[in-house]
Amino acid sequence: EDQVTQSPEALRLQEGESSSLNCSYTVSGLRGLFWYRQDPGKGPEFLFTLYSAGEEKEKERLKATLTKKESFLHITAPKPEDSATYLCALKGGNNRKLIWGLGTSLAVNP
Amino acid sequence: KAGVTQTPRYLIKTRGQQVTLSCSPISGHRSVSWYQQTPGQGLQFLFEYFSETQRNKGNFPGRFSGRQFSNSRSEMNVSTLELGDSALYLCASSQTGSHLTGELFFGEGSRLTVL
Repeated sequence: EDQVTQSPEALRLQEGESSSLNCSYTVSGLRGLFWYRQDPGKGPEFLFTLYSAGEEKEKERLKATLTKKESFLHITAPKPEDSATYLCALKGGNNRKLIWGLGTSLAVNP
Repeated sequence: KAGVTQTPRYLIKTRGQQVTLSCSPISGHRSVSWYQQTPGQGLQFLFEYFSETQRNKGNFPGRFSGRQFSNSRSEMNVSTLELGDSALYLCASSQTGSHLTGELFFGEGSRLTVL
């Protein structure tokens, strides 16, 4: 069964303190791994798609990487506006639906 | 370009009642998916519609139903509400459907509280 586990559940950083969020997965035939950001009271907002191990994507202070077992979302020198819940989802070869993790709630203090 | 619009944003119902939620996708998007989001379960897939046809369905009881109209607008209905149905209901649209892409555009959700 396809599965996604995100860690940590919550993370508090000081502004400028870089860190990484983890998304571990098991899947039969990965067809895509996706990162989303969700602000309180809003729907998730798409960030990245990764398709194969070794792939990396960047956007401003965020960089997503992928291995055969996990994906990392690296946040470099975060700012308070990066505070949000970050969600990971994947699509497997045998599944027409996206499988979602529970998310990491990130708080960046000024 | 207008985003995904969901109405109503907030609603309070009592057990046993029924509720209808509406979603207008981004113009040109033919696929609409519905999700239930709760703190303990995260995002749970309800169903997906493409060109008025239900293409995929999650593991929810028959009390949850949906439909899509010819203009791609979608509605979902929950009958005989239970306390556990309290959640944020999210609608997401895409051009081709989530079976081809994981890039979905979400609305802000409808927050349902069942008393």
